[in-house]
Amino acid sequence: AQSVTQPDIHITVSEGASLELRCNYSYGATPYLFWYVQSPGQGLQLLLKYFSGDTLVQGIKGFEAEFKRSQSSFNLRKPSVHWSDAAEYFCAVGPISGGYNKLIFGAGTRLAVHP
Amino acid sequence: EPEVTQTPSHQVTQMGQEVILRCVPISNHLYFYWYRQILGQKVEFLVSFYNNEISEKSEIFDDQFSVERPDGSNFTLKIRSTKLEDSAMYFCASSTSPDTDTQYFGPGTRLTVL
Repeated sequence: AQSVTQPDIHITVSEGASLELRCNYSYGATPYLFWYVQSPGQGLQLLLKYFSGDTLVQGIKGFEAEFKRSQSSFNLRKPSVHWSDAAEYFCAVGPISGGYNKLIFGAGTRLAVHP
Repeated sequence: EPEVTQTPSHQVTQMGQEVILRCVPISNHLYFYWYRQILGQKVEFLVSFYNNEISEKSEIFDDQFSVERPDGSNFTLKIRSTKLEDSAMYFCASSTSPDTDTQYFGPGTRLTVL
């Protein structure tokens, strides 16, 4: 069955430090891959997406992610974290088995940023 | 920038009552979705909707749930007889196409069943 794993439930970094959030997926083919961010009390905002082509994708707010087929991974990175990046981050895959772009989400990683 | 809106932001109801959660998708989008997130758990797909019919639904989406596009702008999720375990954040999303396009999510409706 298709699945998404985010191994880190909670990460704390200092402001200005680099960040990497891990995402691994299980899927029969190359899926479409997404990272969403959820700030407290807010909805899900798309950070970036990978459909095909260049495996390093740039997103909003200075985030990037790299698709590694051999590792079934799509890790999210940011070179220098800002206090406003504190939020929950969700990796997702889709479409699933020809369905209408049903997204399968990981459990999320909650990011805390120390000043 | 166009966005998906949802009302109400928070709904409190008694067990057994019917609730209707409302969404206004982005105007040129044709595919609509409902997801839910029980507190502390993953965001889960409930249903997708296109051309006035359900395209796909999950095991969660049982007979207590229904969706409707009553007019050209609204997309609703009805829970016929709420249970305690229906307490969750419900997200509406929309997209222009089902395959390669991004789904844009609304801010969610927090449903609390007492």
